[in-house]
Amino acid sequence: KQEVTQIPAALSVPEGENLVLNCSFTDSAIYNLQWFRQDPGKGLTSLLLIQSSQREQTSGRLNASLDKSSGRSTLYIAASQPGDSATYLCAVSNAGGTSYGKLTFGQGTILTVHP
Amino acid sequence: DVKVTQSSRYLVKRTGEKVFLECVQDMDHENMFWYRQDPGLGLRLIYFSYDVKMKEKGDIPEGYSVSREKKERFSLILESASTNQTSMYLCASSFARGTSGQDTQYFGPGTRLTVL
Repeated sequence: KQEVTQIPAALSVPEGENLVLNCSFTDSAIYNLQWFRQDPGKGLTSLLLIQSSQREQTSGRLNASLDKSSGRSTLYIAASQPGDSATYLCAVSNAGGTSYGKLTFGQGTILTVHP
Repeated sequence: DVKVTQSSRYLVKRTGEKVFLECVQDMDHENMFWYRQDPGLGLRLIYFSYDVKMKEKGDIPEGYSVSREKKERFSLILESASTNQTSMYLCASSFARGTSGQDTQYFGPGTRLTVL
């Protein structure tokens, strides 16, 4: 059974810092990996999706990498801003025709960026 | 823009009531999902559907059922609500794998359900 772990559980940084969030998964037979953002009391917003054949994806100040063989992904946030404060969730979709894109989520990293 | 809407943001029900949570998506997605989110337990999949009238159990289906009569609508039903079903419920949808080259899930805003 796929298990996803995110480290750290919480992170507090001053504005302007570059930071890295970590995600690991136990079964390397994945179809893709996604990073989401969740603001308090809200739904999830997709940030980046990396296909299993890709090594990284970038969107603005965000860069996500994937090392499938070692079961790891990192989300890099450059020049952090207070508006980046949120919970960041990592989720993997297993390979296999019957998985239908089901996601297994990590517990999330709560990020606080203070001015 | 993809839009996934949920019928209520907040809902308060009494133990034993039958509860319906509705989810509608406007992107012609094949797949739809219901999750619940609890502190310390994260998001857990309750049920999903990959086509009209098709449904599959997720990790925690006990106490729930679902209905998908139309492609755009996926309903979660609590047959007899209990206090341990107090939670945040999130609906999501995505294209079928292989349709668009990726199957990003798009989430609704969530329904905070309290069962008294």
